[in-house]
Amino acid sequence: DQQVKQNSPSLSVQEGRISILNCDYTNSMFDYFLWYKKYPAEGPTFLISISSIKDKNEDGRFTVFLNKSAKHLSLHIVPSQPGDSAVYFCAASGWNSGNTPLVFGKGTRLSVIA
Amino acid sequence: DSGVTQTPKHLITATGQRVTLRCSPRSGDLSVYWYQQSLDQGLQFLIQYYNGEERAKGNILERFSAQQFPDLHSELNLSSLELGDSALYFCASSPRTSGTLNEQFFGPGTRLTVL
Repeated sequence: DQQVKQNSPSLSVQEGRISILNCDYTNSMFDYFLWYKKYPAEGPTFLISISSIKDKNEDGRFTVFLNKSAKHLSLHIVPSQPGDSAVYFCAASGWNSGNTPLVFGKGTRLSVIA
Repeated sequence: DSGVTQTPKHLITATGQRVTLRCSPRSGDLSVYWYQQSLDQGLQFLIQYYNGEERAKGNILERFSAQQFPDLHSELNLSSLELGDSALYFCASSPRTSGTLNEQFFGPGTRLTVL
């Protein structure tokens, strides 16, 4: 049973436009969420995180939004650049539910077209 | 560069064999995690160690085992290898066991091919 779902395996966006990557979760004990970016032949790289006490966190071109009632989060990249082309993984953990490790989604492959 | 190192980068072996993958965490990180990524799959959590002790266990097969040594490096042992064990194996490290601001930093991975 997938606790973290990224329903879009791929996404294509034009350079300069907004990229929106979505993630849904089912476990209500999750209260810390992260996005990782992965280039081919490299390990995932931490991008941005958000805890459940917030509904938005911003870092430069990257913003993560959290909708707890819908158990949904999204990553916005504005403006999108060709170097953003990578696989993006959503991950979740529950800090107060024991030593729950990160649970990852299957990823969304973002292609930013110049 | 995340500061997490993994060796070897590539490993090709035959079914039935045993291999050992090695991971050195970032300086100061006490937790080490192992993940498996098969083709078109997400990252599957295998096992976590914190300061030498097993802390959490995921869907790790009985043929697989791991340990964390006093110098905090970790090894993942895979035995009686099967074709389906071919995958990318990632190690990650973090400062603590869990919680916020405890982001995991990943190594470059070991690509295992079982022929």
